Amino acid sequence: GAVVSQHPSWVICKSGTSVKIECRSLDFQATTMFWYRQFPKQSLMLMATSNEGSKATYEQGVEKDKFLINHASLTLSTLTVTSAHPEDSSFYICSARDLNRDLAGESSYEQYFGPGTRLTVT
Amino acid sequence: SQQGEEDPQALSIQEGENATMNCSYKTSINNLQWYRQNSGRGLVHLILIRSNEREKHSGRLRVTLDTSKKSSSLLITASRAADTASYFCATPFVGGYQKVTFGTGTKLQVIP
Repeated sequence: GAVVSQHPSWVICKSGTSVKIECRSLDFQATTMFWYRQFPKQSLMLMATSNEGSKATYEQGVEKDKFLINHASLTLSTLTVTSAHPEDSSFYICSARDLNRDLAGESSYEQYFGPGTRLTVT
Repeated sequence: SQQGEEDPQALSIQEGENATMNCSYKTSINNLQWYRQNSGRGLVHLILIRSNEREKHSGRLRVTLDTSKKSSSLLITASRAADTASYFCATPFVGGYQKVTFGTGTKLQVIP
């Protein structure tokens, strides 16, 4: 249980184009999903918190107009990198919290992570 | 911003040996988590330890927490080649219980 998928697993795009990455919770509902980026040999940096039915909350220094987040359902959040540039090349990872565990008071703050999407902007 | 710092940054051991990784953090926490990441993949949750716990076990994993020193350690006993991965500690954001911040990570290589 608690599987999170991401699509695509890797993408190469030209500078100036936009790329959409999907994050899905396959067997549980998630009101809250998180988006991280990870540069080679570095740790994960939280970009934003995605809340179902409301606007995402962005961390300091993350451009919300560049990284558009939509969380339209309890199982899907999307991250769109707009007008991508080579410096946006990175590994993007999403994670999700289990709504039912939260409601049951069983939450251990655990996040379930997707396998990541490798974005290369040429 | 990141608050966890891990030590060592890289660790190479022989299969069967024990591996110890340390995590230090800056602010008070109510829990600390350890995650594992295989190269180029997402993270897998290993274990959570609460601030009122000093030690916790899960299989070959042993985690300790010293809140007075703001540090935690992860011990992997009888290591296997399949344990080769990066290991990260994660602590809650200050003021945000749902969000976590990750440490710098320890890259573990277990040589068969």
